Amino acid sequence: GQQVMQIPQYQHVQEGEDFTTYCNSSTTLSNIQWYKQRPGGHPVFLIQLVKSGEVKKQKRLTFQFGEAKKNSSLHITATQTTDVGTYFCAENTGTASKLTFGTGTRLQVTL
Amino acid sequence: GAVVSQHPSWVICKSGTSVKIECRSLDFQATTMFWYRQFPKQSLMLMATSNEGSKATYEQGVEKDKFLINHASLTLSTLTVTSAHPEDSSFYICSANGGTINEQFFGPGTRLTVL
Repeated sequence: GQQVMQIPQYQHVQEGEDFTTYCNSSTTLSNIQWYKQRPGGHPVFLIQLVKSGEVKKQKRLTFQFGEAKKNSSLHITATQTTDVGTYFCAENTGTASKLTFGTGTRLQVTL
Repeated sequence: GAVVSQHPSWVICKSGTSVKIECRSLDFQATTMFWYRQFPKQSLMLMATSNEGSKATYEQGVEKDKFLINHASLTLSTLTVTSAHPEDSSFYICSANGGTINEQFFGPGTRLTVL
């Protein structure tokens, strides 16, 4: 079945450093959504990408969807301690809009 | 954005008992809700799709007789873990589609510990 892998599994950065997580699928994705889950919390929707090569920005966050629609990335510029959490990519599919989550990347930011 | 609530937020029970978890959409109607299970430091695994007024659709490997789902109204879905065992201890999260681009809104989750 489809597997959506994310790398790295975990990254520890100092505040102010940049961070990137990569999402890779074995099959072509119809879309990609990104969610952030704070420690002890629940996933919160960040953004959706649909078009091949699409790039979207939200303040310090930049999201990209690969040309082949098999990979995506989330880049955070100048991380802050509020960026701590696990970032998941997910594909939203089917008439029921099911989500297939990636494996997640846990980000730790220290001063 | 849309708000989804879950109750209880945490529960501890003895092995062999049943536990019911409620998921409510507070400011919108949800014909479809989803139940996930998340083990520590792992991703969310979809267990089942809850359909209002009809049977739930379970993912492969999820026992329908063990995880009973009822979606009796447009704002409420319940998950009952029957005859719970320690291996059922996990974080259970529900979600519903509430946005214009099919983004999902998640409940705060229920942490189940089975002794």
